[in-house]
Amino acid sequence: GAGVSQTPSNKVTEKGKYVELRCDPISGHTALYWYRQSLGQGPEFLIYFQGTGAADDSGLPNDRFFAVRPEGSVSTLKIQRTERGDSAVYLCASSWTRAEATDTQYFGPGTRLTVL
Amino acid sequence: AQSVSQHNHHVILSEAASLELGCNYSYGGTVNLFWYVQYPGQHLQLLLKYFSGDPLVKGIKGFEAEFIKSKFSFNLRKPSVQWSDTAEYFCAVNYMDTGRRALTFGSGTRLQVQP
Repeated sequence: GAGVSQTPSNKVTEKGKYVELRCDPISGHTALYWYRQSLGQGPEFLIYFQGTGAADDSGLPNDRFFAVRPEGSVSTLKIQRTERGDSAVYLCASSWTRAEATDTQYFGPGTRLTVL
Repeated sequence: AQSVSQHNHHVILSEAASLELGCNYSYGGTVNLFWYVQYPGQHLQLLLKYFSGDPLVKGIKGFEAEFIKSKFSFNLRKPSVQWSDTAEYFCAVNYMDTGRRALTFGSGTRLQVQP
């Protein structure tokens, strides 16, 4: 079946601008995650949704970052007043199980954000 | 804080050589363990996972990993690599006792297999 999809694949913006990144999880997956991957590093957790609610947003670096999942499917990561340090690949993952003990996350292709 | 270490940043092997990539995590509690692979131009894909039971787990494409709890390790192995195994490999850990679902990743190991 279709995997996790993310749009756009690339986004170039200017410092100070607002951006939205979209994630469409695997159909039927109730959990959705956002990660950020900087060059030469592994992904770093940002936020986790179970259904419509943010169950864990402890990884969001500051209040410029916000994410929503209003209908429990598609999610949007929003970044206000972008800074050059926000440049990274933003990854989305989803999983279907409610059981933490066997949770397996499947990743999308990512959105490469470049802030000039 | 929980962390994951992958000490080999870049590994170069010839085809048919054996592979072992190290992964160590920092915490002694209950963990779920994963290896993901990212082939050039592709997204992260799950290679294998460990939740419980037999500490030797087998994944796709002939890969396996062994969970050694006393060493906080989950090393990835393959007896004979192919050129198509050229990719970046990430170890990831879910620290179950924290009650969080977030994965903590290592910084990755870039594997280059020469024909």
